[in-house]
Amino acid sequence: NAGVIQTPRHKVTGKGQEATLWCEPISGHSAVFWYRQTIVQGLEFLTYFRNQAPIDDSGMPKERFSAQMPNQSHSTLKIQSTQPQDSAVYLCASSLLGNYAEQFFGPGTRLTVL
Amino acid sequence: GEKVEQHESTLSVREGDSAVINCTYTDTASSYFPWYKQEAGKSLHFVIDIRSNVDRKQSQRLIVLLDKKAKRFSLHITATQPEDSAIYFCAASRGTGNTGKLIFGLGTTLQVQP
Repeated sequence: NAGVIQTPRHKVTGKGQEATLWCEPISGHSAVFWYRQTIVQGLEFLTYFRNQAPIDDSGMPKERFSAQMPNQSHSTLKIQSTQPQDSAVYLCASSLLGNYAEQFFGPGTRLTVL
Repeated sequence: GEKVEQHESTLSVREGDSAVINCTYTDTASSYFPWYKQEAGKSLHFVIDIRSNVDRKQSQRLIVLLDKKAKRFSLHITATQPEDSAIYFCAASRGTGNTGKLIFGLGTTLQVQP
């Protein structure tokens, strides 16, 4: 089991450019979560998919951020017109469905916006 | 909104001593409390969790205590070893399928001195 796979591991963009981050959940896991980690804010929840359907996007900045899960094997997080304050490590996690399911985290994508 | 406060930002203990990390939460509907460990340059790794139907759980050298009345939970690491050195994050969740997001504390950097 390869665990949660995230690509790229590092991404550098210029201010105003678009960034797309990819996540491949563990096979058989039907719940996918996105979090963002910064030194100042810590770990923040962004969005959650269950069986590919968006369930909770309460943590997503309303503008410029969007997430999709077109099939059970991958999810994407897209940031349009990136700003320096978007610089963070973006973490994807997956879990089995069911209450109290352990979330398994991927290695993260470190996004740096210059 | 929901918050989790992690009371110790840093903790230094001698090898063999016990370490205790304390967290409090605000959401009275929280029912699932996992702990994660993050080693330098790596992602989050699950260590132990506790559900609201019990007030104590032990896994080898790790003990988690939960006081629902005080909305407080803690991680006790007994007989610490140098490899326990890492950042530890507490988290809280409602635990159910539609609300599985984790709300994290800001982390405690544990240093175990040989």
